[in-house]
Amino acid sequence: GQQVMQIPQYQHVQEGEDFTTYCNSSTTLSNIQWYKQRPGGHPVFLIQLVKSGEVKKQKRLTFQFGEAKKNSSLHITATQTTDVGTYFCAGPNYGGSQGNLIFGKGTKLSVKP
Amino acid sequence: DSGVTQTPKHLITATGQRVTLRCSPRSGDLSVYWYQQSLDQGLQFLIQYYNGEERAKGNILERFSAQQFPDLHSELNLSSLELGDSALYFCASSQSTGARMGGYTFGSGTRLTVV
Repeated sequence: GQQVMQIPQYQHVQEGEDFTTYCNSSTTLSNIQWYKQRPGGHPVFLIQLVKSGEVKKQKRLTFQFGEAKKNSSLHITATQTTDVGTYFCAGPNYGGSQGNLIFGKGTKLSVKP
Repeated sequence: DSGVTQTPKHLITATGQRVTLRCSPRSGDLSVYWYQQSLDQGLQFLIQYYNGEERAKGNILERFSAQQFPDLHSELNLSSLELGDSALYFCASSQSTGARMGGYTFGSGTRLTVV
């Protein structure tokens, strides 16, 4: 079945260092979404990428959708302690016809002050 | 407050019992999704409803069932509970479905502990 994989599973960084998480899908995606879940919290929608090769920025966060629309990445520049949490990518299931999402297992980011 | 309301926040129950989790979607959202989050297992899709009708099923056990009511709130029923059913259960909603879905709004979840 359709799979969405993320690496790494865990990342520990020193505050101020950069961080990148990668997402790969077994199938071509019509779009990809990113979510952040703080410890003890619920996932919060960050962004949706739709176009091949699309790059979007939100302050220190840069999101990229691959040319083949099967992979994506999230890069955080100069991490802060507020960036702590688990970052999930998600792609539409059933080719997007139904609307539900398949989530990757997430990358858990810890930031040492 | 995300706008998606889930109750209860915590639930402790014994094996073999039955529980009902409740979700009210964000105002205006027609789609409701249920996900299970176990430790280190990510978010597993259970079931989706759109405007009262079941749209898709994921890895939902036969012991589990759900429905969406005319006022769009949804309930997830878990029966014959086993220790392995202990998890966080999230409800999420979105305005539409398919290609125009946009991002989900998640509720704060129900933490189920089966003892």
